[in-house]
Amino acid sequence: GAVVSQHPSRVICKSGTSVKIECRSLDFQATTMFWYRQFPKQSLMLMATSNEGSKATYEQGVEKDKFLINHASLTLSTLTVTSAHPEDSSFYICSSDPPGDTDTQYFGPGTRLTVL
Amino acid sequence: LAKTTQPISMDSYEGQEVNITCSHNNIATNDYITWYQQFPSQGPRFIIQGYKTKVTNEVASLFIPADRKSSTLSLPRVSLSDTAVYYCLVGEGTSGTYKYIFGTGTRLKVLA
Repeated sequence: GAVVSQHPSRVICKSGTSVKIECRSLDFQATTMFWYRQFPKQSLMLMATSNEGSKATYEQGVEKDKFLINHASLTLSTLTVTSAHPEDSSFYICSSDPPGDTDTQYFGPGTRLTVL
Repeated sequence: LAKTTQPISMDSYEGQEVNITCSHNNIATNDYITWYQQFPSQGPRFIIQGYKTKVTNEVASLFIPADRKSSTLSLPRVSLSDTAVYYCLVGEGTSGTYKYIFGTGTRLKVLA
């Protein structure tokens, strides 16, 4: 299947700082990428849909000014958690679906964010 | 709200066949049914996808009845390493703008 990578795999930061997470499609061009958040023992929650060359579409209840998404190229989307607080500590996962596929999403390995 | 409903958890023993059924009563005509496996602190991994009838690959089979309102993932002869959460997903939205809304998933525990 298609390969999606994320960087970093884990990050620890102080409260009030901003953290950027990268999501890359390694072997296909991704016009759309998806960002999820997952708390321990819970399911994945869709945060936003990242669209190459245009604004992201955020799910209800997700603050767009806090979770900045940039999709500047066909292989890279970034999620920036601004002014991070301990409650933002979570597992962030991105995904994308290769063009021409049957709506199959391939997920990155995830990024563990810990805010102290 | 997720378009799918699954049992929250299941236990099985090594070597047994495990069947996990998912309900998707409101599946759209052009929706595929996709199953993923997730281990702790990893992203979901694609297992199998189908549209109707039966699909089989090297790790699982997927059974879909004619009305497509449910599907069953079958894992033959599970091992301890199959302990994971399994998600059944159908897309939401029209082709090209669809997205996944995850349900609870099924937490499978394989016992020795």
